[in-house]
Amino acid sequence: DQQVKQNSPSLSVQEGRISILNCDYTNSMFDYFLWYKKYPAEGPTFLISISSIKDKNEDGRFTVFLNKSAKHLSLHIVPSQPGDSAVYFCAAREGGSEKLVFGKGTKLTV
Amino acid sequence: DVKVTQSSRYLVKRTGEKVFLECVQDMDHENMFWYRQDPGLGLRLIYFSYDVKMKEKGDIPEGYSVSREKKERFSLILESASTNQTSMYLCASSTSGGRSSYGYTFGSGTRLTVV
Repeated sequence: DQQVKQNSPSLSVQEGRISILNCDYTNSMFDYFLWYKKYPAEGPTFLISISSIKDKNEDGRFTVFLNKSAKHLSLHIVPSQPGDSAVYFCAAREGGSEKLVFGKGTKLTV
Repeated sequence: DVKVTQSSRYLVKRTGEKVFLECVQDMDHENMFWYRQDPGLGLRLIYFSYDVKMKEKGDIPEGYSVSREKKERFSLILESASTNQTSMYLCASSTSGGRSSYGYTFGSGTRLTVV
């Protein structure tokens, strides 16, 4: 049973426009959420994170929004650039655990 | 710059071979993880370790074992490689207690092909 779901396997966005990647989760014990970016033949790299006590975190062109009541988070990339083309993984950590639970990823093409 | 190093970027092995994938981190992290990534399936946890000589099964441990004799090194072992173990293998490490907001640091991955 998937605890972290990324329902869109792929997303195509024009350069300069906004990219919105979505993630849903089912476990209310998750206390930390992270986004990773992965290029082909490379390991994932950390992009941005958000604690469950916040609803927004911003870092340059990247903003993550958390809606706890809906168990939903989203990553906004503005403006999108060709170098943003990659697979993006949403991940969540349960309080007290060291493990991350990953979604299946969304392939972004800019 | 912190690093997780996986010994091989690409490997080709024959069915039935015993395969060792090595991972070393230089960050003095307590936790280490092995994942495999397959198209449409995302990252699936094979094994993890919270301390030297300690290991726990992840979601898909069948056909794999691990070894952690030193804090910085975590090895994944395919006891008898099969074609369905052809995949990208990713090692990661993290520090304990939720002190890092970065979660894991990943290695560059090993693309294993079993023929």
